[in-house]
Amino acid sequence: LAKTTQPISMDSYEGQEVNITCSHNNIATNDYITWYQQFPSQGPRFIIQGYKTKVTNEVASLFIPADRKSSTLSLPRVSLSDTAVYYCLVGALPSGGYQKVTFGIGTKLQVIP
Amino acid sequence: DADVTQTPRNRITKTGKRIMLECSQTKGHDRMYWYRQDPGLGLRLIYYSFDVKDINKGEISDGYSVSRQAQAKFSLSLESAIPNQTALYFCATSDFSENTGELFFGEGSRLTVL
Repeated sequence: LAKTTQPISMDSYEGQEVNITCSHNNIATNDYITWYQQFPSQGPRFIIQGYKTKVTNEVASLFIPADRKSSTLSLPRVSLSDTAVYYCLVGALPSGGYQKVTFGIGTKLQVIP
Repeated sequence: DADVTQTPRNRITKTGKRIMLECSQTKGHDRMYWYRQDPGLGLRLIYYSFDVKDINKGEISDGYSVSRQAQAKFSLSLESAIPNQTALYFCATSDFSENTGELFFGEGSRLTVL
């Protein structure tokens, strides 16, 4: 299983861009990188997924360098409602399922007014 | 109505009691999962099922059992609850044919074992 390392917590002011980096040095060739967001007392919610280079959707961008040993989730102009825990997952998705993917403890992002 | 529904949402019980947490989904997904969340430990996989006849242990299955009664229903049982099973439990689903393998979570069941 690919082990991931991400900061335990981060603080940011409203309106700033937030970048959360995840290290996954032993990522396998067929592993995808997926990020989830979890608000207090709710289940995690899918944000974005990528394999290489850059992926962007209406919520975030995901930057993956050529060696794929790390990835960065970028949240543009955060608001108080972006305060949550963000999980970086690495695994052989999508068809493989989640049985060999671990969530870890995630990064707790606190957005400050 | 939620696509993935868990009952009960909150439960307090005593050591040694049998507890069942139920999960039902209206998404038509084939895959279902049970996770446990503890402060500082993230989410850990207890059991997963890829279809009605396929049940598999996750990383922390000891003390738990599951039943996949139908494609839409996946129940988690604690045969004899103990205090260290106090946690927030999440059911999740995913679709084999979905391009991203996205997991859809229920709202959680908070279990307290006294």
